[in-house]
Amino acid sequence: GAGVSQSPSNKVTEKGKDVELRCDPISGHTALYWYRQRLGQGLEFLIYFQGNSAPDKSGLPSDRFSAERTGESVSTLTIQRTQQEDSAVYLCASSLPPGGGGYTFGSGTRLTVV
Amino acid sequence: AQRVTQPEKLLSVFKGAPVELKCNYSYSGSPELFWYVQYSRQRLQLLLRHISRESIKGFTADLNKGETSFHLKKPFAQEEDSAMYYCAPQVSSGGSYIPTFGRGTSLIVHP
Repeated sequence: GAGVSQSPSNKVTEKGKDVELRCDPISGHTALYWYRQRLGQGLEFLIYFQGNSAPDKSGLPSDRFSAERTGESVSTLTIQRTQQEDSAVYLCASSLPPGGGGYTFGSGTRLTVV
Repeated sequence: AQRVTQPEKLLSVFKGAPVELKCNYSYSGSPELFWYVQYSRQRLQLLLRHISRESIKGFTADLNKGETSFHLKKPFAQEEDSAMYYCAPQVSSGGSYIPTFGRGTSLIVHP
């Protein structure tokens, strides 16, 4: 597609439920990132995929968080047993072979855990 | 530890005034530096990168390695510059390139 697409744009879930967030990167972009932005905070790195390499999961805050990517296409971020502190905007970004270039961001998924 | 600091949460100026959004970083190695902007109800987008030495929408940013700073400047602010601005250093580590974002500075330009 023309840009990075994220779905859903908004998600309200009950505490304890699992949620799945989707990111569709720009075709041909080998690098894909997930970030979390809590209200009034900066962007917090979660996970990074580059081609077929093992993902860099160093930013995942707990084992309730996981992400997958199929080849160089769609990625899903899963949060199990959601907690209220998981409420945030989850942003996805993609880029061509990383380094030196900029990143194209999606519009984000606003997750609210009630 | 790698850190990026944007000391001002909010910067308020009048149209036509100069503006400087501060960014300081603490990194080992030589990071590449970017500024991103998010206008109201729009997605985060790249504004400029230091390696390009470019001026975008009248904004420039100079990398000062001695002060480890990458401040964003514009001589005459316009109302349409009102937005959130994020400084983002990126360092290569073991083949990974992961940009770290500052908490952002909200720029408000009054008419």
